[in-house]
Amino acid sequence: SYELTQPPSVSVSPGQTARITCSGDALPKRYAYWYRQKPGQAPVMVIYNDRERPSGIPERFSGSTSGTTVTLTISGVQAEDEADYYCQSADTSASHWVFGGGTRLTVL
Amino acid sequence: EVQLLESGGGLVQPGGSLRLSCAASGFTFSSYAMSWVRQAPGKGLEWVSSISDSGGNSIYADAVKGRVTISRDNSKNTLFLQMDSLRAEDTAVYHCARDFEDGFGDWGQGTLVTVSS
Repeated sequence: SYELTQPPSVSVSPGQTARITCSGDALPKRYAYWYRQKPGQAPVMVIYNDRERPSGIPERFSGSTSGTTVTLTISGVQAEDEADYYCQSADTSASHWVFGGGTRLTVL
Repeated sequence: EVQLLESGGGLVQPGGSLRLSCAASGFTFSSYAMSWVRQAPGKGLEWVSSISDSGGNSIYADAVKGRVTISRDNSKNTLFLQMDSLRAEDTAVYHCARDFEDGFGDWGQGTLVTVSS
């Protein structure tokens, strides 16, 4: 079955830039989506269609893509950005949605 | 304001059944595809099933195919998930989500399903 691979954890200091990667063979052909989930809360979409921001999401969140890897970049990280981040996409046939395993972002 | 409110979770024995509901408000329900996504305790997100806006098309994760049926009642703005032959590994919080550009744009808080004897 299709898999998306994320690093388990990323740590940055406040004000620095955090980059969270997500790798999958079908990513060159399928859009990627990113979600932020804080403890006890429902996930929130922060990036759609690889690089678009939903309304209400700060400009410091951005998405990019290169080959089989997509990247969520958070510039000027703030303490409130500490959360779990998940990527999501579809398999090659677009018959299944898949989530990455999640990355815990720690703000030091 | 978009609101998604899940219900129907609870404790069920292995092999049992549950029917989850998701009451939607704040948008034109019949215009959007909808999905169920689950999260086992302390684990990551797992897509379960999606249904088209009309209800005419649905897809399922391999882990639940044949045991789960997604449906919707557009006249009542409600999404359903019928779960049969439940297993311990189905224990999770089940979220309903509204489609946005083929992603999951809005989520409910979820309902907890516990499968245990």
